[in-house]
Amino acid sequence: GENVEQHPSTLSVQEGDSAVIKCTYSDSASNYFPWYKQELGKRPQLIIDIRSNVGEKKDQRIAVTLNKTAKHFSLHITETQPEDSAVYFCAASPSGGSNYKLTFGKGTLLTVNP
Amino acid sequence: NAGVMQNPRHLVRRRGQEARLRCSPMKGHSHVYWYRQLPEEGLKFMVYLQKENIIDESGMPKERFSAEFPKEGPSILRIQQVVRGDSAAYFCASSRDRVAEAFFGQGTRLTVV
Repeated sequence: GENVEQHPSTLSVQEGDSAVIKCTYSDSASNYFPWYKQELGKRPQLIIDIRSNVGEKKDQRIAVTLNKTAKHFSLHITETQPEDSAVYFCAASPSGGSNYKLTFGKGTLLTVNP
Repeated sequence: NAGVMQNPRHLVRRRGQEARLRCSPMKGHSHVYWYRQLPEEGLKFMVYLQKENIIDESGMPKERFSAEFPKEGPSILRIQQVVRGDSAAYFCASSRDRVAEAFFGQGTRLTVV
């Protein structure tokens, strides 16, 4: 089955700096890669996703890049703010367009210091 | 739209008891998924259901765990004879179809004492 590795496990940045979280996956057939943000005690919320037919996607301060050859994808947050502090999970989903069988990384605890 | 509703939010069970977790999908969503999150771990897929059908239960433990999504009412994840290792957060998600974005509920935190 799919295996998703996520690094780093913790990340501390100063407000205004950029944060980068990296994930690798094992199944070359995976083609859907969402990122979720989970605040303490709350539900995971989708913040951005990318499918394998594109290499990069941006949404305001958040961007995701995908390298299918190397089987890795990254989340980039620019101009970080204290409210960006949360646990971020990457995930990968098998081919066929179905996104239900997500395999998640173990998460990155991002702390943005004011 | 109230979003995906899970109840209870917190559930404490003694070893050997049964736990029943409920999930009401978002309005218009007929696809439901259950995930389990152990402490400091990512979510692990358990089961995918549509109304009255189990589509994929490849992530469900072989014993003590079962899930249903009846024609009327919420989806239920049932854990019989709970053990300490079942302590985790159980999240339900729903989507309009199998390729649409899945929205998560707030989870049920099960503690087995």
